[in-house]
Amino acid sequence: AQSVTQLDSQVPVFEEAPVELRCNYSSSVSVYLFWYVQYPNQGLQLLLKYLSGSTLVKSINGFEAEFNKSQTSFHLRKPSVHISDTAEYFCAVSDKFSGGYNKLIFGAGTRLAVHP
Amino acid sequence: NAGVTQTPKFRVLKTGQSMTLLCAQDMNHEYMYWYRQDPGMGLRLIHYSVGEGTTAKGEVPDGYNVSRLKKQNFLLGLESAAPSQTSVYFCASSYSAHRTYEQYFGPGTRLTVT
Repeated sequence: AQSVTQLDSQVPVFEEAPVELRCNYSSSVSVYLFWYVQYPNQGLQLLLKYLSGSTLVKSINGFEAEFNKSQTSFHLRKPSVHISDTAEYFCAVSDKFSGGYNKLIFGAGTRLAVHP
Repeated sequence: NAGVTQTPKFRVLKTGQSMTLLCAQDMNHEYMYWYRQDPGMGLRLIHYSVGEGTTAKGEVPDGYNVSRLKKQNFLLGLESAAPSQTSVYFCASSYSAHRTYEQYFGPGTRLTVT
């Protein structure tokens, strides 16, 4: 079974600085990867996903993530963060078809705190 | 489109009390899920449903029951609440069981059991 490890539980950063949130998954023949974001007191929203093709995927608000098969990683990056990026970020992997449903395995989450 | 909605948003229960959490989606999704979120543990699947009238156990089903009498609704019940069930509960839905499809989440219900 798949597993997901988010290496940092909290990442403090100053506004306009770059940030990287790390995510590693256990190996699999084929893998689909997701980053979800949870703003304070809200549900999870899809930020970006890797299904196939280009290993670099981007979101509409400036985040990007790179799928690295050899290192089994899917790190999330942003070159310049804003206060509004303060949120918890979850990396997730879609496990192989199991029990007839879309099984998502989540990491423990990384809390990004952007300071002025 | 409201997406996925959950009621109530907050609830405090005493040990042994029962309650039902309601999830509704207006996207005509077949698949629905209940998760719990605990600090440092991410989201864990409690129960799920692959269609109206069907339910199945997830990773942490003990102490919970579910029902899906209508396609758009998925209910999560706690028959006898315990402090270990203090958590934030999220409902989600997806169009397909295929691995490439995202899940859409509700805003959550914060439950405290004293």
